[in-house]
Amino acid sequence: DAKTTQPPSMDCAEGRAANLPCNHSTISGNEYVYWYRQIHSQGPQYIIHGLKNNETNEMASLIITEDRKSSTLILPHATLRDTAVYYCIVRVGNRDDKIIFGKGTRLHILP
Amino acid sequence: GAVVSQHPSRVICKSGTSVKIECRSLDFQATTMFWYRQFPKKSLMLMATSNEGSKATYEQGVEKDKFLINHASLTLSTLTVTSAHPEDSSFYICSARVSAGGGDTQYFGPGTRLTVL
Repeated sequence: DAKTTQPPSMDCAEGRAANLPCNHSTISGNEYVYWYRQIHSQGPQYIIHGLKNNETNEMASLIITEDRKSSTLILPHATLRDTAVYYCIVRVGNRDDKIIFGKGTRLHILP
Repeated sequence: GAVVSQHPSRVICKSGTSVKIECRSLDFQATTMFWYRQFPKKSLMLMATSNEGSKATYEQGVEKDKFLINHASLTLSTLTVTSAHPEDSSFYICSARVSAGGGDTQYFGPGTRLTVL
C-alpha cells in the first residue's frame, strides 16, 4: 500500500512559489516526512525532512499540518532548474527503514 | 550535503560480459549503502542494501548471483552485473546513508547508465 499520495504533475510559473502537496493520512508517530527530487537523468537529490514542526533550509520549506496527515513542500522562487520529479516519502528514518520511491509529482516550471 | 560519486557514469558493453559499478562516499563514512535501478519513465526500484563487512540484502525478485554487491570499506560499495544481457540495460543509482539524531538521510550518486548490446 502506498504511504503517500501526490498529484502526478503540476505547473508553476518561473519566479513564483511552487507548492507541492502530499497526503500521508496513515503516518505513524515516529515517521518522518522526507522530500527528494530527481532532475532528468540524474540521481535523486535530498531536499528536506521533518517530523512535526515546519522546517526550512536553503532549498525549500516543509509545512506539516498539525494532525500530520498532510504536508506541503514550498520552493519559494521557482526557477527552470527546479523542473524535476518530486518525491514525498514517509519513513522512520533509521537503518531498518528503506526508501521506497512512489511515482512522485512531475513539476514543470514555465518560463 | 554529503557527496556520493559513481564510476563510470556511462558504460556500453557486449552481451555476456560483466560490468562493475563503483559507489563512493566522498566526505563521510557509510556503513550502509543502497543500490537502485531505474527503467525509462519509471520510478527508482530498490535492488539491495549493502552493509559494510557483511552480505548484502536483496529485494524480492533480484537475483543475487547476477548482481554481485561488495561493500569492502566504509566509503566504497561495488555492484557487478554478471553476464549482462540487453534486458539489464538501465540506469543504476547508489545511495549512502548518513545517520543522525533527527532521522537519517540518504544521499544519492549521479547514476550509471548501462547499455548492453
